[in-house]
Amino acid sequence: QKEVEQDPGPLSVPEGAIVSLNCTYSNSAFQYFMWYRQYSRKGPELLMYTYSSGNKEDGRFTAQVDKSSKYISLFIRDSQPSDSATYLCAMSGNRGSTLGRLYFGRGTQLTVWP
Amino acid sequence: DGGITQSPKYLFRKEGQNVTLSCEQNLNHDAMYWYRQDPGQGLRLIYYSQIVNDFQKGDIAEGYSVSREKKESFPLTVTSAQKNPTAFYLCASSNLAGEDIQYFGAGTRLSVL
Repeated sequence: QKEVEQDPGPLSVPEGAIVSLNCTYSNSAFQYFMWYRQYSRKGPELLMYTYSSGNKEDGRFTAQVDKSSKYISLFIRDSQPSDSATYLCAMSGNRGSTLGRLYFGRGTQLTVWP
Repeated sequence: DGGITQSPKYLFRKEGQNVTLSCEQNLNHDAMYWYRQDPGQGLRLIYYSQIVNDFQKGDIAEGYSVSREKKESFPLTVTSAQKNPTAFYLCASSNLAGEDIQYFGAGTRLSVL
């Protein structure tokens, strides 16, 4: 079983829709959770960063972490064509033990059509 | 302009040839990382380094080599032992003393001639 599971999609939605992206994980030591956005042929850019459980909101984006279920989500409200990209979840544990290593999901390809 | 610079953007390798991908950062980050990305497979860790003159193998180190002679530089060599080198290679860095978030370069796309 992979450490981090993410449905690769593709996911296609109309402009203005609410998008829900999800990842599950198996390692209960994970405490830091990130979402990266990657446009085609570009490097990933950090979108959201969350420590432990709870919600974090930034504009149209909301990240949720449920450590009891080992499940994280990214919600995009009022989606725009410019949101079309691949979204990668990533997570890490205690920095001392994992030495800064990130564990990535496979990425979900999202297309928002006008 | 701070960031991570990868070069070249595109690289072609002939059979039996070693090629080196460059990664330079001016963020004063302690740690640097190399990932390989194949379609539909996400990012796989090749090598990482927390400090100058020290580095560790990641999950797919076979056929690759690295060096870390300077804090700002972490070149990756794809050797002839790597039989399937065609992929998108990403370099990242992070500040282990801070939030420990990894920031990525724009990537190098390597193809075999």
